[in-house]
Amino acid sequence: QVQLVESGGGLVKPGGSLRLSCTTSGFSFGDDYVSWIRQAPGKGLEWVSYISPTSATVYYPDSVRGRFTISRDNSRNSLYLQMDSLRAEDTAVYYCARILPANIYSLTCDYWGQGTLVTVSS
Amino acid sequence: EIVLAQSPDTLSLSPGERATLSCRASQSVSSNYLAWYQQKPGQAPRLLIYGASSRATGVPDRFSGSGSGTDFTLTITRLEPEDFAVYYCQQKLAFGGGTKVEIK
Repeated sequence: QVQLVESGGGLVKPGGSLRLSCTTSGFSFGDDYVSWIRQAPGKGLEWVSYISPTSATVYYPDSVRGRFTISRDNSRNSLYLQMDSLRAEDTAVYYCARILPANIYSLTCDYWGQGTLVTVSS
Repeated sequence: EIVLAQSPDTLSLSPGERATLSCRASQSVSSNYLAWYQQKPGQAPRLLIYGASSRATGVPDRFSGSGSGTDFTLTITRLEPEDFAVYYCQQKLAFGGGTKVEIK
């Protein structure tokens, strides 16, 4: 079955860096768009980034552009998020998710990992 | 930039009752791009509905989606105990703020 497992979260000081990983199985990772979506404690869902199968297309909202970098290794079925210059407002659970292959333009996510918590605090 | 407004914020209902959740877009959107998710405490979101009205794999038929243009609805015909959760709508890069369905 489809699985996505995030790792790499933890406590980091403001200005620090962290690298999240998402290991996947059960689907053709190299053919699919994948994404990072976050949820601050008690809040709603927010897009962080997505990446195309060949890495040719990536997206970041203004809130993380220039600080976060998404990447993937199709040979390892893995997705990554390098987070630099972290701020308190980046504190959230970070989910990796697959974008529905049948309708990539919708950015609908059909499978999600369980999430990894990133806490930015001094 | 499209903004999605969900209402109500909280819906208090009893098991067996019908739930009707609303998602209103700030401008007309394609039905193909409207999705609904369910999230329970401590869990990841789960895709329920995509393309405004298509149920995702394994989703019970008591869940249905409808709507077009700026107004979309998620209906749960008879609430089961496991349906009490927060529901989010999404249109591409926009998520609604969520509706919590709680036990009355």
